[in-house]
Amino acid sequence: EAGVTQFPSHSVIEKGQTVTLRCDPISGHDNLYWYRRVMGKEIKFLLHFVKESKQDESGMPNNRFLAERTGGTYSTLKVQPAELEDSGVYFCASSQDRAPDHTEAFFGQGTRLTVV
Amino acid sequence: GNSVTQMEGPVTLSEEAFLTINCTYTATGYPSLFWYVQYPGEGLQLLLKATKADDKGSNKGFEATYRKETTSFHLEKGSVQVSDSAVYFCARKLTGGGNKLTFGTGTQLKVEL
Repeated sequence: EAGVTQFPSHSVIEKGQTVTLRCDPISGHDNLYWYRRVMGKEIKFLLHFVKESKQDESGMPNNRFLAERTGGTYSTLKVQPAELEDSGVYFCASSQDRAPDHTEAFFGQGTRLTVV
Repeated sequence: GNSVTQMEGPVTLSEEAFLTINCTYTATGYPSLFWYVQYPGEGLQLLLKATKADDKGSNKGFEATYRKETTSFHLEKGSVQVSDSAVYFCARKLTGGGNKLTFGTGTQLKVEL
């Protein structure tokens, strides 16, 4: 069974450009999460989808970030326009169910974004 | 506030040395606690977990005990191998919080021959 897959693995863009990251969760996983690790700091939660709905987007840093999950399958995270401080590793994770507590979350390899 | 604090790295050890990576947490309620590992070039993998006080999580020779009285979840291994070289992340999940994890900053471990 394929794990969580993220594309691209690396991206280098100039400040002001747009970048779109993609995450394919494990098939059948309703829950999808985005996290970010900036320059050796802690990994921070960005948002959580349940199917196509945003359950919790409290970690999104600002309105330059837009996450979508149309159809409840893969998700995209767009950064527009990118700023230098957006550089970091973006992780996606998925898990299967909701109650009474979630099963283990499986993480992708991450996308390393560098804004220059 | 709610947070996870783990010892800073990098940690460099010789093969077969004893490993401890400290982790403490703050939280209201009774969180579940985790250690994740990221091997070079790979994604985060769950290493072990504990869901209630005094539980001990263990996997691949690693252990961590959920200590409510000291709010700690230190990672230990009696004899490390070169293949254990990786970044280790301590994490907390609040009850009912789905899989919304709060991570520490990560500790890089390098094991040398």
